[in-house]
Amino acid sequence: QKEVEQNSGPLSVPEGAIASLNCTYSDRGSQSFFWYRQYSGKSPELIMFIYSNGDKEDGRFTAQLNKASQYVSLLIRDSQPSDSATYLCAVRGGSQGNLIFGKGTKLSVKP
Amino acid sequence: DAGVTQSPTHLIKTRGQHVTLRCSPISGHKSVSWYQQVLGQGPQFIFQYYEKEERGRGNFPDRFSARQFPNYSSELNVNALLLGDSALYLCASSSGPVGQGALSGKLFFGSGTQLSVL
Repeated sequence: QKEVEQNSGPLSVPEGAIASLNCTYSDRGSQSFFWYRQYSGKSPELIMFIYSNGDKEDGRFTAQLNKASQYVSLLIRDSQPSDSATYLCAVRGGSQGNLIFGKGTKLSVKP
Repeated sequence: DAGVTQSPTHLIKTRGQHVTLRCSPISGHKSVSWYQQVLGQGPQFIFQYYEKEERGRGNFPDRFSARQFPNYSSELNVNALLLGDSALYLCASSSGPVGQGALSGKLFFGSGTQLSVL
């Protein structure tokens, strides 16, 4: 059973701080990794994807991938209250190539 | 451009009934996937269709079925509803078949259908 594990939180950070969200996955053969943001009562929205080991930056967001450790992380710099949401880690896995989602980490950014 | 549209937005059914959920993908997208999201959990893969063919099926019973039409819209059908089927059903479209190519796996989700089974 391929799994994606996330700390459910809630993770609380003050406004302006760096929020660090972590994810581990069980399938060593996984090639593609995604972070989705889901506001309460809304559908998930893709914010970052990463395929290669290392860091990928997009604005205030940085995705980090370490395939040897089977670990993916998302850093949010200068966190804003509008970043308060649940962040879902997803891994493309298996022969069908479907996304396998973690349970999500709820982030709360306090003004 | 319109995003992924789903209908209905909310639905209340009783146990044993049948339900049909509908989805229209983003214009130009040929792949539609269906996910079930129970409160407090991440989305769980149900089906993927690409070019009207089933390309993937998750670990769901045969009560769940789907199809994709020539215009790439899709329907998810659930028979003999159980209380445990209560969830948010999400449709997602992508430009290519998930599982191939660098662009695959980038899903665009609709707003979902909230199904309540009483």
